[in-house]
Amino acid sequence: DVKVTQSSRYLVKRTGEKVFLECVQDMDHENMFWYRQDPGLGLRLIYFSYDVKMKEKGDIPEGYSVSREKKERFSLILESASTNQTSMYLCASRSRTGQFFGPGTRLTVL
Amino acid sequence: GQNIDQPTEMTATEGAIVQINCTYQTSGFNGLFWYQQHAGEAPTFLSYNVLDGLEEKGRFSSFLSRSKGYSYLLLKELQMKDSASYLCAVRGGRDDKIIFGKGTRLHILP
Repeated sequence: DVKVTQSSRYLVKRTGEKVFLECVQDMDHENMFWYRQDPGLGLRLIYFSYDVKMKEKGDIPEGYSVSREKKERFSLILESASTNQTSMYLCASRSRTGQFFGPGTRLTVL
Repeated sequence: GQNIDQPTEMTATEGAIVQINCTYQTSGFNGLFWYQQHAGEAPTFLSYNVLDGLEEKGRFSSFLSRSKGYSYLLLKELQMKDSASYLCAVRGGRDDKIIFGKGTRLHILP
């Protein structure tokens, strides 16, 4: 079974803090993704990566950056957290036949 | 660009059958996914259709018509635990991204 893990299930940060969300997959997938999910807006793609050290902007990259130093790890960075970044963050890893999500991190920015 | 439409909410009765429709527009279609998501949890992969036709997996079946830009998820012998949101997602576009619909919230009545 594919296993995608995220570093925290719940996180509370203050406005202006730098926030790191970590995602690790154990299936040697090349493709990894970061989404956020908000009521009424659905899942929106923030950034994705198709290989180590490669990154591409998704639909809502503003205020975020990513790092892919190793194949199994894809990190999402909020350089200076703001209250409108309070959301559920979901990491996903993709093979030829499916895309699989981690358990999600619910981030609250105060 | 990519666009996905699915009904916002549906209601069905325990033991019955329900069909959740999804229509999409995309350039360069590479497949369509269905996910189940219970409240507060990450989406769980249900199916992936690349070719036209019906794919059956236990109580769940997924159908695809590429020429019509149309898919449906069919749930048989509904159980209370099937109460969840069902997300349609399309893989394609210039960057081979997966874009999600806003989901259909399915309510099961006893």
